[in-house]
Amino acid sequence: EVQLVESGGGLVQPGGSLRLSCAASGFTFSSYDMHWVRQATGKGLEWVSAIGTAGDTYYPGSVKGRFTISRENAKNSLYLQMNSLRAGDTAVYYCARGAVAGLAPPFDLWGRGTLVTVSS
Amino acid sequence: SYVLTQPPSVSVAPGQTARITCGGNNIGSKSVHWYQQKPGQAPVLVVYDDSDRPSGIPERFSGSNSGNTATLTISRVEAGDEADYYCQVWDSSSDHPFGGGTKLTVL
Repeated sequence: EVQLVESGGGLVQPGGSLRLSCAASGFTFSSYDMHWVRQATGKGLEWVSAIGTAGDTYYPGSVKGRFTISRENAKNSLYLQMNSLRAGDTAVYYCARGAVAGLAPPFDLWGRGTLVTVSS
Repeated sequence: SYVLTQPPSVSVAPGQTARITCGGNNIGSKSVHWYQQKPGQAPVLVVYDDSDRPSGIPERFSGSNSGNTATLTISRVEAGDEADYYCQVWDSSSDHPFGGGTKLTVL
């Protein structure tokens, strides 16, 4: 079955760190760009990071310098290392597959998400 | 930054046609993608590149894009279409922006 499964979410204090994982199955993971997208409760979608098949990475200004996306093709896994977390980072984090090359949308496969809560 | 504007809500009776708009400066020059998100679920791509449908998406879902407005059209609306819908474009200076989302209510 073609799927993405996120893990690693939880409760963390402001200023803390957390590492999210996304396990891919059912497709050739190494051939696809991958993305993280987040959604605060009751809010819209926000793109968080992207990594290309060659390992090139991209971030929006809101997380640049704090978040690091990486991938391990041998393990069909995507990661998001989140440091210096703030209350505003509280959200469900989804991993998503890019349907086309060039780190552009659309995103044609999404995981079910993992909840990150930043609170003291 | 590039801003996408969607109406917060659209209501339609079963069997009727729903139209959800996505406004942006000269959006007609960009490729627009649409996602459906039901409560507690992940988003699902329903239209890409303005008007193409992924496999498995009913023909009732269609899209158009011109000028400053892109539109997702859902024909013969069913109760199961009730969801939040988000538009998205690729803009090199704005980090893959999404619209704010539109809640479709089936009356």
